[in-house]
Amino acid sequence: AQSVAQPEDQVNVAEGNPLTVKCTYSVSGNPYLFWYVQYPNRGLQFLLKYITGDNLVKGSYGFEAEFNKSQTSFHLKKPSALVSDSALYFCAVRDVRSGNTGKLIFGQGTTLQVKP
Amino acid sequence: GAGVSQTPSNKVTEKGKYVELRCDPISGHTALYWYRQSLGQGPEFLIYFQGTGAADDSGLPNDRFFAVRPEGSVSTLKIQRTERGDSAVYLCASSLGRTGGEQYFGPGTRLTVT
Repeated sequence: AQSVAQPEDQVNVAEGNPLTVKCTYSVSGNPYLFWYVQYPNRGLQFLLKYITGDNLVKGSYGFEAEFNKSQTSFHLKKPSALVSDSALYFCAVRDVRSGNTGKLIFGQGTTLQVKP
Repeated sequence: GAGVSQTPSNKVTEKGKYVELRCDPISGHTALYWYRQSLGQGPEFLIYFQGTGAADDSGLPNDRFFAVRPEGSVSTLKIQRTERGDSAVYLCASSLGRTGGEQYFGPGTRLTVT
């Protein structure tokens, strides 16, 4: 079955420290993977995606993610966290069973709390 | 440029009533998606439009839910005989329609059924 797992409900880091938000996936074929961020009372904002090519993908606001095929993971990272990074983060995979519709399967979300 | 817009931002309705939720996608985006997000959950797919046609409505929970996109731009999600379990945030997203293209989301409509 196609699925995405975010094993941590919440991640706490101190400002200036590196952060990692974990994501693992289960999908047949080559995965298309995405990270989105959601601030309170706002829609989801696209951060980055992996389609093919370099396993390290760079995105908005200094975030990056590493695709690891052997571990079926796509962890979100940032070298130095900011208080303003505090938000809800979603990992998503394109549902390849649906052909080319592009519909996404989302994880449950991880709340990132960056403390000053 | 303008992003995806959704109206109303909040809707409170009584059980059994009919509601319409509107989505205005980014100009030029041929693909349009509706998702539903319950509290503490990730968004769940409802329906996908390519142009005017519903290419995939496999996520609609039952026949009380229906959506249209008559001119290939604005879309309306319609819910008949609302139930308390329909309470959620309804998100609309659009994309250029290319395989692998990212979706751009609107702010959502928070529906509360009392």
